[in-house]
Amino acid sequence: AQKVTQAQTEISVVEKEDVTLDCVYETRDTTYYLFWYKQPPSGELVFLIRRNSFDEQNEISGRYSWNFQKSTSSFNFTITASQVVDSAVYFCALEQGGSEKLVFGKGTKLTVNP
Amino acid sequence: ETGVTQSPTHLIKTRGQQVTLRCSSQSGHNTVSWYQQALGQGPQFIFQYYREEENGRGNFPPRFSGLQFPNYSSELNVNALELDDSALYLCASSSRTGKTYEQYFGPGTRLTVT
Repeated sequence: AQKVTQAQTEISVVEKEDVTLDCVYETRDTTYYLFWYKQPPSGELVFLIRRNSFDEQNEISGRYSWNFQKSTSSFNFTITASQVVDSAVYFCALEQGGSEKLVFGKGTKLTVNP
Repeated sequence: ETGVTQSPTHLIKTRGQQVTLRCSSQSGHNTVSWYQQALGQGPQFIFQYYREEENGRGNFPPRFSGLQFPNYSSELNVNALELDDSALYLCASSSRTGKTYEQYFGPGTRLTVT
């Protein structure tokens, strides 16, 4: 069975702090994809990143970076110099290779205070 | 904006009634997936339609049914509504062409069952 665990239910930081959101996944598939989505209060899921299981290179996009480690089945997300606009619920998700069907974690609510 | 639209935005129904939710996919996308997101939880996969055929189903009872039309828009129907059906219903349209992958979520329909 596939499972995604986001152990941090809520995180609160002060603006400009760095913050890391943890994601641990379980799958028996050798081909799979990992995602991060942002859900602001409006409710719409905003796509942040998609990473396939064969690419363990870390990725950086502006203030966002992702650390994928197959050895520990983790796909962690770091926001550098957080801003108030980063406040949202963040979801990690797993897709069985090619299925386009996502298994989501329960999400981490991030609050960035001014 | 993603180009995926959902209607209605909000809906209030009574237990035992039936409801139809609609999703218009992003232009060029031939796959639509539906998710249920209960309050404080991550989205859960209901089912997926690819070129008008059901292409996989999550752990939801048969009273959850769907359709996809030739223009790839989709409907989610729920019969005999129960209080636990109260949730945000999200649709996602996607397309996989060679190495290119796109998936976009709509803003959701918030269903309240009283």
